[in-house]
Amino acid sequence: ETGVTQSPTHLIKTRGQQVTLRCSSQSGHNTVSWYQQALGQGPQFIFQYYREEENGRGNFPPRFSGLQFPNYSSELNVNALELDDSALYLCASTRPGTYEQYFGPGTRLTVT
Amino acid sequence: DQQVKQNSPSLSVQEGRISILNCDYTNSMFDYFLWYKKYPAEGPTFLISISSIKDKNEDGRFTVFLNKSAKHLSLHIVPSQPGDSAVYFCAASEGKLTFGKGITLSVRP
Repeated sequence: ETGVTQSPTHLIKTRGQQVTLRCSSQSGHNTVSWYQQALGQGPQFIFQYYREEENGRGNFPPRFSGLQFPNYSSELNVNALELDDSALYLCASTRPGTYEQYFGPGTRLTVT
Repeated sequence: DQQVKQNSPSLSVQEGRISILNCDYTNSMFDYFLWYKKYPAEGPTFLISISSIKDKNEDGRFTVFLNKSAKHLSLHIVPSQPGDSAVYFCAASEGKLTFGKGITLSVRP
């Protein structure tokens, strides 16, 4: 069984640019969540998708947006990048019938 | 306002002894609690969880205790092994997960 995968592994962008991060959920998992982890902090919830619909959102501005596709893979888009957006972005899929979320390895985004 | 708190940033334990990692929460709506382990350059790995209707859950060397009246949970690792050295996150669920800041566990050989 393939776990959660994310791409790319690392990314460097300039302030003001836009970025798209990708995630493939674990097989059979139809709920995907995105988190931002800044240095020295725990992951912060950005939003969650269930069956292609946004199903909850954390305290992040609208320039953070997402999509979920029919195969349950997902994208996180961030527009107008700011220096503070530099962080590890984690994707997690939920084992059906549980609260257990399984994380991918993350994408390290650096904004200069 | 931090709803999930891991007040100790680090813990050092001798191999073979017990590691006790603590976590406090403020939101009484949380109904499920999870512990994750994280190595550098990897995503968090699910370890063990507990429902709010239980007070203990055990899986091998890992046991989680929940004290709802005190809004406190703890993870016990017995016996501790050097490979357990990592950052441990406590998380609480009300649909979405809210994480603490993590505690760095070092197990000395």
